Amino acid sequence: GQQLNQSPQSMFIQEGEDVSMNCTSSSIFNTWLWYKQDPGEGPVLLIALYKAGELTSNGRLTAQFGITRKDSFLNISASIPSDVGIYFCAGRAGTASKLTFGTGTRLQVTL
Amino acid sequence: NAGVMQNPRHLVRRRGQEARLRCSPMKGHSHVYWYRQLPEEGLKFMVYLQKENIIDESGMPKERFSAEFPKEGPSILRIQQVVRGDSAAYFCASSPTGGPNEQYFGPGTRLTVT
Repeated sequence: GQQLNQSPQSMFIQEGEDVSMNCTSSSIFNTWLWYKQDPGEGPVLLIALYKAGELTSNGRLTAQFGITRKDSFLNISASIPSDVGIYFCAGRAGTASKLTFGTGTRLQVTL
Repeated sequence: NAGVMQNPRHLVRRRGQEARLRCSPMKGHSHVYWYRQLPEEGLKFMVYLQKENIIDESGMPKERFSAEFPKEGPSILRIQQVVRGDSAAYFCASSPTGGPNEQYFGPGTRLTVT
């Protein structure tokens, strides 16, 4: 089946630093979504991307839909303590409605 | 506008019992998806339903698991004769339509099988 690999798996950063993470696929996706999950909660949608090359921002978050349609990137600028959590990419292929989730990037912020 | 609601939030069942998980989609959403998450893993798709129809159940185990989304009331994910391996977090998501739309997730039901 389709697999989405996220990197890095985890990262420690200092408050105020910028963060970059990415998601790669073995096959083409038509939609990329980025979610954040806090412990004991459901994923919260951050950004949705629908076109190859699309660059979309949501506050301090910026995400891009890779040109090859096999990858996506998420950047967080000027990180703050509440950015702590697990970030998941999710993709939708073909005409399917189901989402394939990545393995997650765990972000921890030190003061 | 209320978000996706799931209940119960936590459910403990002994091996062999039945588990029923409920999901009420966001207002105006008629498409429901169920996902399962094991500890330290991403979410895995199970089933996609519209009112009274199962659209895609390619991720559902062939036995013991069933799902429904009746004309009235919440969507139900039912697990019969639970085993320890069924212990996981089960999330429901909803969208206003199918296809390339954002899916909004509920808080999940954490099932523990003892």
